Amino acid sequence: TQLLEQSPQFLSIQEGENLTVYCNSSSVFSSLQWYRQEPGEGPVLLVTVVTGGEVKKLKRLTFQFGDARKDSSLHITAAQPGDTGLYLCAGVGDDKIIFGKGTRLHILP
Amino acid sequence: GAVVSQHPSWVICKSGTSVKIECRSLDFQATTMFWYRQFPKQSLMLMATSNEGSKATYEQGVEKDKFLINHASLTLSTLTVTSAHPEDSSFYICSAEMPQGFYEQYFGPGTRLTVT
Repeated sequence: TQLLEQSPQFLSIQEGENLTVYCNSSSVFSSLQWYRQEPGEGPVLLVTVVTGGEVKKLKRLTFQFGDARKDSSLHITAAQPGDTGLYLCAGVGDDKIIFGKGTRLHILP
Repeated sequence: GAVVSQHPSWVICKSGTSVKIECRSLDFQATTMFWYRQFPKQSLMLMATSNEGSKATYEQGVEKDKFLINHASLTLSTLTVTSAHPEDSSFYICSAEMPQGFYEQYFGPGTRLTVT
């Protein structure tokens, strides 16, 4: 059974600080996606990483796929209150997509 | 970008009644759609995978007779909660899988079901 562990589960930091969210597995994924969900809404796809070692940037968000395609990280620089939300990673493997339990991020103004 | 709609966005019903939730992909055809349930402050729980023209595949522990899924076209999947009970109250979210690419999912805005 493929599992995705996300850490931390909760994170509350001050505006302007940097943070990193991790997504780890013992399984290899063909690709990995990151989603962000705001309360009362469906998740929104942020990025897909495919190649081991790949780094993608989306403004202040930097996503990295591990060399072995088993893990990924999301780094946010100078966090803003608008970054508050539930961040979900999802790995694609064995013809199935698996979601992590999410990291609930709260940015304090 | 890909857009998925859900209807209704919220519904209140009485115990014992049935509720139908629709999920539509508005600008692409989706062979595969997914239905999730989400409890407050928790992650998504996959209920079933819906493939156009065939029976849905339900996750372990999800009652197929209670949560009826129909995927009659490439742009529409429906979830019917039959004989609803208060414990069925939840946030239900559908997603449609982009046919090309890396299995990215585009989510609907969700439906909040409250059973009284």
